[in-house]
Amino acid sequence: GEDVEQSLFLSVREGDSSVINCTYTDSSSTYLYWYKQEPGAGLQLLTYIFSNMDMKQDQRLTVLLNKKDKHLSLRIADTQTVDSAIYFCAESRNSGYALNFGKGTSLLVTP
Amino acid sequence: KAGVTQTPRYLIKTRGQQVTLSCSPISGHRSVSWYQQTPGQGLQFLFEYFSETQRNKGNFPGRFSGRQFSNSRSEMNVSTLELGDSALYLCASSKGQNMNTEAFFGQGTRLTVV
Repeated sequence: GEDVEQSLFLSVREGDSSVINCTYTDSSSTYLYWYKQEPGAGLQLLTYIFSNMDMKQDQRLTVLLNKKDKHLSLRIADTQTVDSAIYFCAESRNSGYALNFGKGTSLLVTP
Repeated sequence: KAGVTQTPRYLIKTRGQQVTLSCSPISGHRSVSWYQQTPGQGLQFLFEYFSETQRNKGNFPGRFSGRQFSNSRSEMNVSTLELGDSALYLCASSKGQNMNTEAFFGQGTRLTVV
C-alpha cells in the first residue's frame, strides 16, 4: 500500500515526554513533516526534517528520522495539556507538490 | 503577516448542487494546494496550483476542479454534490518555487451535503 502509518491514540501524563511514531512509504521523499490539528481548526506546521538529516530539535520538539527503516518520530518533552491534539505525519510527494498524510495520532494529556 | 484565509468557514448544500470554495494564500506565496479531510479517508490531496497552472492532481473525479488567479488566490469547485463530499476542505500555501519546504494551512471550509 501507499499509506503513511501512525498509531491512532496516545495518552500521557502532564510533564511526561510523548513520542509519536510514523512509518512512511516513499524512500524518495525529500521532506517529512509534523502537523498539529486542534478541534475545529486547520493544520499547524510544527516542524519538518530534510531527508538527509537524522535529527532536528526545536525547543520541546525533537524529530528523529531513520531513513533505512522509513521511520519518523516526534518527541514532545514536558508535555502539557495544551498539547492535546491530533498529530499528523506527512511525506512530500511528486517533487514536493503534494503531501501524503498519515491518519493522525490523537494525543491526550491528562493532569 | 496574514495567514491563509479560506471562505466560507461553513457551508450546507443539497445533493446535486455545486459549490465554490475560496482560498487566499499568504502574501508572496505562489503555490496553493487543496486537501479533503474526512473521518474515514483522512487527509487526501486534491490538486496544486502554481502561477495559475495546475501542477499536480490527486485521484479525485472530474467533479472536483480548481483554478488560480493572477493574484495567487485559488478557488475549488465541486459540481453535482454527493453526500460523500461532506468534508473539511483545507487549503495550503507555500512559496512553491521548488519543494514545499513549508506549507501553511488555512482553517478550512466545512462542507455538509444533505
